[in-house]
Amino acid sequence: AQTVTQSQPEMSVQEAETVTLSCTYDTSESDYYLFWYKQPPSRQMILVIRQEAYKQQNATENRFSVNFQKAAKSFSLKISDSQLGDAAMYFCAATTSGTYKYIFGTGTRLKVLA
Amino acid sequence: DSGVTQTPKHLITATGQRVTLRCSPRSGDLSVYWYQQSLDQGLQFLIQYYNGEERAKGNILERFSAQQFPDLHSELNLSSLELGDSALYFCASSVLGAVNEQFFGPGTRLTVL
Repeated sequence: AQTVTQSQPEMSVQEAETVTLSCTYDTSESDYYLFWYKQPPSRQMILVIRQEAYKQQNATENRFSVNFQKAAKSFSLKISDSQLGDAAMYFCAATTSGTYKYIFGTGTRLKVLA
Repeated sequence: DSGVTQTPKHLITATGQRVTLRCSPRSGDLSVYWYQQSLDQGLQFLIQYYNGEERAKGNILERFSAQQFPDLHSELNLSSLELGDSALYFCASSVLGAVNEQFFGPGTRLTVL
């Protein structure tokens, strides 16, 4: 079975600083995809970044980047130059090409301090 | 705006009742997914449809059912409602299968009293 674990229920970061959110996953599939979603107070789910397991290069989207450690089954999200608008719940998610099911972690609440 | 619409935005009903939540996917998207998010919880995958056919099933209760119509909109039916069914219900759509980016609707907040 697929599992996604986020062990940090809450994190805080000072504005303009860098923070890393942790995620570990478990799957027996070789073809899988990993995602980070952001859920601000509006509750809208917004895709932050996506990583294909077959790609060795870590995905990057502006201030957001991932550290994908395939052997350790780790998929952490790094937010650089944190902004007040980054405050939100962040969910890690995984899916495989065969199951069509997305499995979400329990989320990490990020607070950004001015 | 993701392009996915959900109606209604809010729904308040009583235990034992039945409700229908509606979702219209983005233009061109064939896949629709339903999720349940209870208060301060993660998202629980309920069910996925692809071009009218059920593709995957998650932790969906027998009291819940869904379908995707020929025009690709989808409905989630919740019956014999219980207090624990109170949650935010999200619909998401994607072009093809699960490996494509999912675009989420704004959600329907269901309150069961």
